[in-house]
Amino acid sequence: DIQMTQSPSSVSASVGDRVTITCRASQGISSWLAWYQQKPGKAPKLLIYAASSLQSGVPSRFSGSGSGTDFTLTISSLQPEDFATYYCQQANSFPLYTFGQGTKLEIK
Amino acid sequence: EVQLVESGGVVVQPGGSLRLSCAASGFTFDDYTMHWVRQAPGKGLEWVSLISWDGGSTYYADSVKGRFTISRDNSKNSLYLQMNSLRTEDTALYYCAKGVTYGSVHSWFDPWGQGTLVTVSS
Repeated sequence: DIQMTQSPSSVSASVGDRVTITCRASQGISSWLAWYQQKPGKAPKLLIYAASSLQSGVPSRFSGSGSGTDFTLTISSLQPEDFATYYCQQANSFPLYTFGQGTKLEIK
Repeated sequence: EVQLVESGGVVVQPGGSLRLSCAASGFTFDDYTMHWVRQAPGKGLEWVSLISWDGGSTYYADSVKGRFTISRDNSKNSLYLQMNSLRTEDTALYYCAKGVTYGSVHSWFDPWGQGTLVTVSS
């Protein structure tokens, strides 16, 4: 199975900050990576797919980059509603799709 | 609006059985691969199972293979997960999710239902 490792596990930041979350795959996955946002008590929401494509309706302050084994999710200017847990997911290894362990973004 | 609504989660004893359901609306259900993904309390996400648009192909995570069965009824726009021989480690919130698939094999999940809680405990 492909292992996905996110860093950091948690991060504290302030409104207006720029935040970057990293996801590393245990083997190359081309650009087959998605990012999700999950707020407490809610289902995950797709933010980014194919490593860098923004899902419809997602604010442009969210962006994704990377290919192969290393990927990043960047939030350019944090808004109060962005404080949540973020997960990466590899979509390369059919059908054993795997997620990172999550990164909790907290208010400083 | 695309909507997925899960049901069927309860408290069940180890070794017991349960069937989860997911009612879909707002999209052409039989055009899409569907998935179950679970989340243990306070933990991360784990893909569980998928079923192709016509029900002809099914796949499972190793952790549930031989115990869980995924199925669908396209006439009812419904997805199911039959769970047998339940273990305490199966305790989780179970989400159904619509697959967004490229090239038949690369899939992410959008949207997700609100989840249904399965608790396996004596």
